[in-house]
Amino acid sequence: DQQVKQNSPSLSVQEGRISILNCDYTNSMFDYFLWYKKYPAEGPTFLISISSIKDKNEDGRFTVFLNKSAKHLSLHIVPSQPGDSAVYFCAALSRGFQKLVFGTGTRLLVSP
Amino acid sequence: DVKVTQSSRYLVKRTGEKVFLECVQDMDHENMFWYRQDPGLGLRLIYFSYDVKMKEKGDIPEGYSVSREKKERFSLILESASTNQTSMYLCASSLGLAVQETQYFGPGTRLLVL
Repeated sequence: DQQVKQNSPSLSVQEGRISILNCDYTNSMFDYFLWYKKYPAEGPTFLISISSIKDKNEDGRFTVFLNKSAKHLSLHIVPSQPGDSAVYFCAALSRGFQKLVFGTGTRLLVSP
Repeated sequence: DVKVTQSSRYLVKRTGEKVFLECVQDMDHENMFWYRQDPGLGLRLIYFSYDVKMKEKGDIPEGYSVSREKKERFSLILESASTNQTSMYLCASSLGLAVQETQYFGPGTRLLVL
């Protein structure tokens, strides 16, 4: 049972445009969400996070939006750059637990 | 700068072999984790440890065991490797027990079981 879902396995975007990666979750106990980025042959690296008490968190070109009523979060990258091409995983955590639950990942390709 | 290292980048083993995957972190982190990554399934937690000699089962512990004799080292053991354990294995560590603690990942070990 996939508690965190990324329904788009891949996304292609042109350089300079906005990339929007989506993530849905089913467990209402989740209260902290993270995005990780993974290049081939490397481990995932932390990108940005958001607590359930917020609906938006911004860090440079990266913004994460959280819609708790819809159990949906999204990562916006603007402007997209070729170096952003990677697999993006969203992950969720519930209070008191140290186990991250990861989504299946979305492969982003940003073309020049 | 946090560094998590894994003993091998690529490994080829035969069915039935005992396999050891080693992970070392150099930042005195309390928590260490082992995941496997498979296409279409994302990262799934196998085992984690929040202290030396302590271990907790993750979501898919069957066929695996772990060892944490020292704080910096967390080993994943495949007692008798099977072809369905062919995967990318990722080790991670985090500092403490706060919910917001970021996990830092190693580069991964790609294991092929023939």
